[in-house]
Amino acid sequence: QLVESGGGLVRPGGSLRLSCVASGFSFGAYSLSWVRQSPGKGLEWISSISSRSTSIYYSDSVRGRFTISRDNAKTSLYLQMDGLRVDDTAVYFCARDRIGARPDALDLWGQGTTVTVSS
Amino acid sequence: IVMTQSPLSLPVTPGEPASISCRSSQSLLYSNGFHYLDWYLQRPGQSPQLLIYLTSNRASGVPDRFSGSGSGTHFTLNISTVESDDVGVYYCMQALQAPWTFGQGTRVETK
Repeated sequence: QLVESGGGLVRPGGSLRLSCVASGFSFGAYSLSWVRQSPGKGLEWISSISSRSTSIYYSDSVRGRFTISRDNAKTSLYLQMDGLRVDDTAVYFCARDRIGARPDALDLWGQGTTVTVSS
Repeated sequence: IVMTQSPLSLPVTPGEPASISCRSSQSLLYSNGFHYLDWYLQRPGQSPQLLIYLTSNRASGVPDRFSGSGSGTHFTLNISTVESDDVGVYYCMQALQAPWTFGQGTRVETK
C-alpha cells in the first residue's frame, strides 16, 4: 500500500513537503508518480521518478517549483513543494507505475493528502 | 497530448451496456506496437483505480464486463452489463509521453 502525509494549510508563496510511505512490494523496483486533483476537478499528473532516480519528469504547471525525490532504503517518495500558489490547492496522490521496461499505467494509488493554499 | 472524453455525463441502467469514448490529439502508438492508453475509475470518495492498461488489458481483479479497445487516436471503454458498483468518474490517460495527461472524466450515474 501507499500512504501519503504532509498535507495542510499554507500561505501563498510557502512550502510543504509531502511524503508517501510504501509497503507490501519491492519499492526499489518501481517508478512512482504524483497526481493531484483540485476540488471538484479532474486528475492531473504532475511528476514521476524512475526506480533509481535516474529519470525525473514534471508537468509544466509545477516544473521549477516542485521537486520529486525518493529514498529506496526508507521505501519513501517525496514531493517538495515551493512557491505554492492558490491553484496548487488539491488532493495529492502518490501512485506506483506499473512495472515493466517502460512505465505505462498507475496500478496502485494512495488515499491522498490534502494541500490547501490560502491567505 | 490533449485527451478528450465523451460523453462527460452518462446515465446508465443497471443490466444495460455502456460505452465511453476517448480521443487523443496525436497517435498513442509506441514503437513496440502498443497504444499507451489507460482507463481508471474513481468511485465516490475513493482514490482512482486502474481498470485497463495498454488499451485493452484488464488490471488485476477487474471484472471481465470491462473491456477496452481502440487504436491511433480513438479509444473506447465498454461495460457489457452495468452494475450499481460501477458508478463514479471514469478517466482515460495517455502514458505515451510525459507529461502523462488525463481526459476530463466521464461521470457515470444510475438512472
